Amino acid sequence: DGGITQSPKYLFRKEGQNVTLSCEQNLNHDAMYWYRQDPGQGLRLIYYSQIVNDFQKGDIAEGYSVSREKKESFPLTVTSAQKNPTAFYLCASSIAGTGDPQHFGDGTRLSIL
Amino acid sequence: GENVEQHPSTLSVQEGDSAVIKCTYSDSASNYFPWYKQELGKRPQLIIDIRSNVGEKKDQRIAVTLNKTAKHFSLHITETQPEDSAVYFCCPNNAGNMLTFGGGTRLMVKP
Repeated sequence: DGGITQSPKYLFRKEGQNVTLSCEQNLNHDAMYWYRQDPGQGLRLIYYSQIVNDFQKGDIAEGYSVSREKKESFPLTVTSAQKNPTAFYLCASSIAGTGDPQHFGDGTRLSIL
Repeated sequence: GENVEQHPSTLSVQEGDSAVIKCTYSDSASNYFPWYKQELGKRPQLIIDIRSNVGEKKDQRIAVTLNKTAKHFSLHITETQPEDSAVYFCCPNNAGNMLTFGGGTRLMVKP
């Protein structure tokens, strides 16, 4: 069954702590994306990657970091520099790039303790 | 970055009526125009998309129309049903190879 798996579903962060959100896909897609969604708001692009070992900042990259060491995986780290991390985080992938349909994971809900 | 706006932000219709949501964008180089549906607490899912060489596309009760000259595209839902209630997002691509989602339209279909 092909798709995108995000884990964990819920995550709690303490002050000064870095946390990493996992995103894995078995769709053989080249492009992967991370979005942040605040309550009642649209999706804002954090980072995206079109190829292994390469990624670009989106509109709200400050306080976040990513890596793309494997085609299947695109983990997002929320660093302590992100002062307001509470949000719903969605990972997506598409075949090649921004001109293709995106397939989304079920999301991770991050809260501050 | 690209400026993407959706109107209206909320839309309430009676079951069986039609609903239309409009998305305006600023980048004339955009060539892919999708619409996503997001139910409460769930993932967005693609419901229909159109490319710039086509003016209209229909899939059962759902259609998308594109006006490249005026830089807007619209989602049309006919014979609305309660299960159509959700938030709908447009997300045109752009020449900078970035993606900008519209702010969303909350559609409520009253039985």
